[in-house]
Amino acid sequence: EVQLVESGGGLVKPGGSLRLSCAASGFTFSSYSMNWVRQAPGKGLEWVSSISSSSSYIYYADSVKGRFTISRDNAKNSLYLQMNSLRAEDTAVYYCARVWVGSGSSWPDYWGQGTLVTVSS
Amino acid sequence: DIQMTQSPSSLSASVGDRVTITCQASQDISNYLNWYQQKPGKAPKLLIYDASNLETGVPSRFSGSGSGTDFTFTISSLQPEDIATYYCQQYDNLTFTFGPGTKVDIK
Repeated sequence: EVQLVESGGGLVKPGGSLRLSCAASGFTFSSYSMNWVRQAPGKGLEWVSSISSSSSYIYYADSVKGRFTISRDNAKNSLYLQMNSLRAEDTAVYYCARVWVGSGSSWPDYWGQGTLVTVSS
Repeated sequence: DIQMTQSPSSLSASVGDRVTITCQASQDISNYLNWYQQKPGKAPKLLIYDASNLETGVPSRFSGSGSGTDFTFTISSLQPEDIATYYCQQYDNLTFTFGPGTKVDIK
């Protein structure tokens, strides 16, 4: 059974840093691209960042570029999101999700339960 | 960047009604369009991939159509368990864009 378990969320002051982790199990982690998607309270889904299976390709949303860093450790079946210079507008539930590559499109197929990040003084 | 719009932003319908949601891309995305259902406090669930393909295990009352820039998502007979927010999502080279969502509830 595919499982994705996020951790590391919490309350942080504006300008602070936080590192999220996502522990993967039930599939060959090193074969899949992964991404982070967030959802501010009462708002819609926003893609944050993606990383290819071997970390060769990394992409960020403009809203987090230069402040967030995605990484992975295939030996530990883990995905990370280092978040620096946090702002109030970064407050959200952060989901990690596996990326399924179809014949044409791709999509997040399995999602974790999410971890809440609150940026407030 | 490709932008996604959805309409309506919310709707109320009766059990058994046919419900239709539209999604429009700011440029041609072929059929690279997926639909998700999200219930409160839960992670999104994939319903439709590549515009019209039903994900395994998803009830057949859900369907999708379209290509290019205009897409449609339909629930043929609304059920109480379908109360949720529905999102379209496009893919472009390992980047993803979600539509703003359509909240569906029972009248």
